Amino acid sequence: RKEVEQDPGPFNVPEGATVAFNCTYSNSASQSFFWYRQDCRKEPKLLMSVYSSGNEDGRFTAQLNRASQYISLLIRDSKLSDSATYLCVVNNFNKFYFGSGTKLNVKP
Amino acid sequence: DGGITQSPKYLFRKEGQNVTLSCEQNLNHDAMYWYRQDPGQGLRLIYYSQIVNDFQKGDIAEGYSVSREKKESFPLTVTSAQKNPTAFYLCASSIDQGAREQYFGPGTRLTVT
Repeated sequence: RKEVEQDPGPFNVPEGATVAFNCTYSNSASQSFFWYRQDCRKEPKLLMSVYSSGNEDGRFTAQLNRASQYISLLIRDSKLSDSATYLCVVNNFNKFYFGSGTKLNVKP
Repeated sequence: DGGITQSPKYLFRKEGQNVTLSCEQNLNHDAMYWYRQDPGQGLRLIYYSQIVNDFQKGDIAEGYSVSREKKESFPLTVTSAQKNPTAFYLCASSIDQGAREQYFGPGTRLTVT
């Protein structure tokens, strides 16, 4: 079983839509959680850390559900520039595990 | 400007040759990591280093070697023993060995024919 699993998508949404991604992780002892954004043929860039109480950064909201072992990312009012692959990352005992990413296409 | 640099951006080699990928950071981070990414797949950990002169194998270390002689530098050598070396190689660093976020260099795309 993979450490981190994500729906690969693609999610095709119109500009202005709200879209949500989920990611599940297998190790209940995982310590920290992140969402990264990766544009085509570029390096991943940190979007936001995910805290137990949930956190928001502008149009982006991240949630953690430890009981069900999943994290989520909600994007409100999607922009064309949000088109990218979103990677879920989990840290277990100082090693990072990456999901294979969820592709988002925002259309005009 | 603080950051992580990797060079070169694109690298082409013939099968059977060893090749070394450069990774330098001026963030004063203790921990450094090497990953490879294949199309449609997540990043897989090759090697990581938590302090100078120490490094650990990741999940796919076979056919690779590293060194960490300086805090700023963590070069990766792809040897001829690596069966499928063509990939996108990403170097990352984090402030320490704890569960902190990682920051990535721009990557090196290696093609071996």
